[in-house]
Amino acid sequence: DAGVIQSPRHEVTEMGQEVTLRCKPISGHNSLFWYRQTMMRGLELLIYFNNNVPIDDSGMPEDRFSAKMPNASFSTLKIQPSEPRDSAVYFCASSPSLTGVTGYTFGSGTRLTVV
Amino acid sequence: DAKTTQPPSMDCAEGRAANLPCNHSTISGNEYVYWYRQIHSQGPQYIIHGLKNNETNEMASLIITEDRKSSTLILPHATLRDTAVYYCRVMNNNAGNMLTFGGGTRLMVKP
Repeated sequence: DAGVIQSPRHEVTEMGQEVTLRCKPISGHNSLFWYRQTMMRGLELLIYFNNNVPIDDSGMPEDRFSAKMPNASFSTLKIQPSEPRDSAVYFCASSPSLTGVTGYTFGSGTRLTVV
Repeated sequence: DAKTTQPPSMDCAEGRAANLPCNHSTISGNEYVYWYRQIHSQGPQYIIHGLKNNETNEMASLIITEDRKSSTLILPHATLRDTAVYYCRVMNNNAGNMLTFGGGTRLMVKP
């Protein structure tokens, strides 16, 4: 298995533009998580899905952020409009179940820079 | 989830054992101890977890004290590639308890 695949690896965009980050979880994993990492705030959980259904989005910072999981093999995190303070590394992770007993597998991340 | 306390940084000589401590004095009976690490510019990586007994896998060993209030992650022969931030987390395996990160120990393996 290729692991959790995220795209793009790097994204540079201008303030006000829409940004879409993509994630392909490991096949067979039923839970998917989006995290954001910055120097100031560390690694924060934004939202997670189970069986393609959003379970808790309380970590999403603002209404400008939205996430979808249209099927078991694909998820997107969208920021519209983007702002410079959204600059961060965004990680996607998947797990066989919500309980995480076997550990989460993280992707390599998308480094977003909003100028 | 119980709170964990880790030293902010540690050094280790290459080839020697790295022993990373974690305190979790408020751990509950159904909570597991998990260890992850994050190598620079990479996503966090699962290392090992345990409930009561000591655990070992190809990456590391986990020693949990009898009272379960603390644990130690052991990298038996540290290499330069083990330089990373190591996170100790305590969580039960009920649905709804998600993995969160904060703190951690920055391990520097030196030649």
